[in-house]
Amino acid sequence: NAGVTQTPKFQVLKTGQSMTLQCAQDMNHNSMYWYRQDPGMGLRLIYYSASEGTTDKGEVPNGYNVSRLNKREFSLRLESAAPSQTSVYFCASSFWDRVYSNQPQHFGDGTRLSIL
Amino acid sequence: TQLLEQSPQFLSIQEGENLTVYCNSSSVFSSLQWYRQEPGEGPVLLVTVVTGGEVKKLKRLTFQFGDARKDSSLHITAAQTGDTGLYLCAGRRNAGNMLTFGGGTRLMVKP
Repeated sequence: NAGVTQTPKFQVLKTGQSMTLQCAQDMNHNSMYWYRQDPGMGLRLIYYSASEGTTDKGEVPNGYNVSRLNKREFSLRLESAAPSQTSVYFCASSFWDRVYSNQPQHFGDGTRLSIL
Repeated sequence: TQLLEQSPQFLSIQEGENLTVYCNSSSVFSSLQWYRQEPGEGPVLLVTVVTGGEVKKLKRLTFQFGDARKDSSLHITAAQTGDTGLYLCAGRRNAGNMLTFGGGTRLMVKP
């Protein structure tokens, strides 16, 4: 039971480098999300995709871009990494519509990213 | 300032004790979810509460949604070492697609 798979699990970057975090889900969910988790801050939404072909900004989108490649895959790109982006990044997926609006989000195990 | 404030941030107790974790906001939520997260893993849903005043029980865990749908609590009876983890509340506004998470309560239950 794969669920939500994130790659890589760990990454160290230098300031100014770019990288893409990958996320794939096999639950046929329509919505996917990217969060960052910092100590004492819970999870903060970076971007989400309500359905294939759409993306929207969340609470902290600056410095990030996303691509909803297809229904299964949703990637997060850091174009020019900064030390403030050191964090643990989580991808999640769920089924959402106006009728079934309370479905759980299913999370991957996270990518631990350090920027020096 | 976070939209959802959790307290306490940290809690260390002995096995067998009871505890309550709070999740408070000045905003109204259409529903509220509680997740538990273990080290090295993503959060996993424990419960969803939807109706103001609703109480849900999951074995030794009791969840309550405030009458005004602005706050929630999680009560654990006779805590066990397996309850150790980070507890996160998350609110949904206007039945929308986005969840807003609280800062979390890190619970350690010692044998």
